[in-house]
Amino acid sequence: NAGVIQTPRHKVTGKGQEATLWCEPISGHSAVFWYRQTIVQGLEFLTYFRNQAPIDDSGMPKERFSAQMPNQSHSTLKIQSTQPQDSAVYLCASSFRGQGEVFFGKGTRLTVV
Amino acid sequence: GEKVEQHESTLSVREGDSAVINCTYTDTASSYFPWYKQEAGKSLHFVIDIRSNVDRKQSQRLTVLLDKKAKRFSLHITATQPEDSAIYFCAASPNYNVLYFGSGTKLTVEP
Repeated sequence: NAGVIQTPRHKVTGKGQEATLWCEPISGHSAVFWYRQTIVQGLEFLTYFRNQAPIDDSGMPKERFSAQMPNQSHSTLKIQSTQPQDSAVYLCASSFRGQGEVFFGKGTRLTVV
Repeated sequence: GEKVEQHESTLSVREGDSAVINCTYTDTASSYFPWYKQEAGKSLHFVIDIRSNVDRKQSQRLTVLLDKKAKRFSLHITATQPEDSAIYFCAASPNYNVLYFGSGTKLTVEP
């Protein structure tokens, strides 16, 4: 079990460019979450899928951010027209049937310059 | 939505002493309370959790207490060791899936 896999581990984008972050949940886990971690805001929930269907995106910024889960083995978080304030560590997590222990990936550190 | 407040931003103890980290939450519907540990440069690692049907749970040197009336829960670490040094995050969930995190407590265990 390799755990939750996130790629890339680090990404640097220029202001205004698009960034796509990838997540492979633990095999057999049907719930996938995205969180963002910054020094100022701490750990913020972004969005949640269960069985590939979007369940709750209440934490997603309304503009420029989107997430998809095209199949059970991966999810993507896309940020369009990146801004410096988008710089953060983006964490993907998964759990079995959306209940109980949530396992986190190592994160993608996004830096917008 | 749920708001979780973690009261100690830093905590320093001597090796072998006990450490206590306190959190409060706002949503009476919250029923699941996990704790995570984050070591420097690493991701979150599950430590222990408690569900609202009990008020105490122990696992080796870790104990979690839950006071639903006060909407308060705490992590107690006994016989601390240098490897316990990390940032600890409490979290609450009203639905057993989305976690709402506290701001973290940096625990330093001094030899």
